[in-house]
Amino acid sequence: ETGVTQTPRHLVMGMTNKKSLKCEQHLGHNAMYWYKQSAKKPLELMFVYSLEERVENNSVPSRFSPECPNSSHLFLHLHTLQPEDSALYLCASSHALGASLGEKLFFGSGTQLSVL
Amino acid sequence: TQLLEQSPQFLSIQEGENLTVYCNSSSVFSSLQWYRQEPGEGPVLLVTVVTGGEVKKLKRLTFQFGDARKDSSLHITAAQPGDTGLYLCAGGNTGTASKLTFGTGTRLQVTL
Repeated sequence: ETGVTQTPRHLVMGMTNKKSLKCEQHLGHNAMYWYKQSAKKPLELMFVYSLEERVENNSVPSRFSPECPNSSHLFLHLHTLQPEDSALYLCASSHALGASLGEKLFFGSGTQLSVL
Repeated sequence: TQLLEQSPQFLSIQEGENLTVYCNSSSVFSSLQWYRQEPGEGPVLLVTVVTGGEVKKLKRLTFQFGDARKDSSLHITAAQPGDTGLYLCAGGNTGTASKLTFGTGTRLQVTL
């Protein structure tokens, strides 16, 4: 148990559906992240929030829309996805920004998304 | 664009064997992290190294950061089935506080 909970664990959706992924952290952290993990590709950073403010958006298509209503919750809203968006979506949190400076990232178990 | 290449991609060994996983780049990193990801779970941080030439030990795992801070290695002594998982290295740099560059991963299977 890492203190970061993601729901649902598995999601199958059609290309015209709208769905949302949820992440909740119980660690009192101030930074939260969305990563995408595809087969045979390195983890890709999608979005970063610090104190509920988006600080990084890594050229992610607009069909992915993040929301951070407070420092404990992070959502990823999905709309008109493509089959190539099928992947494991991981949420992470850290005490503060600075993952690249050694700040420890705590990951959730991920949502395995399949787009049909 | 910074890239981290890990080798080997796959490794299947028997319990008790030793192994080394490599993480290489042509870029310099100010820090290097190693994670292990078990099936159905997210990555879990094992160690962070920040000084060129640094060696850290975590029980049977030994991590080394290259002198030039462009590469790193993970050595496991007497592997156990519990070591099975995907090993990921991740490099970070000052100036990009939030962004880690993850490696391509090494999938390790340890059998009895």
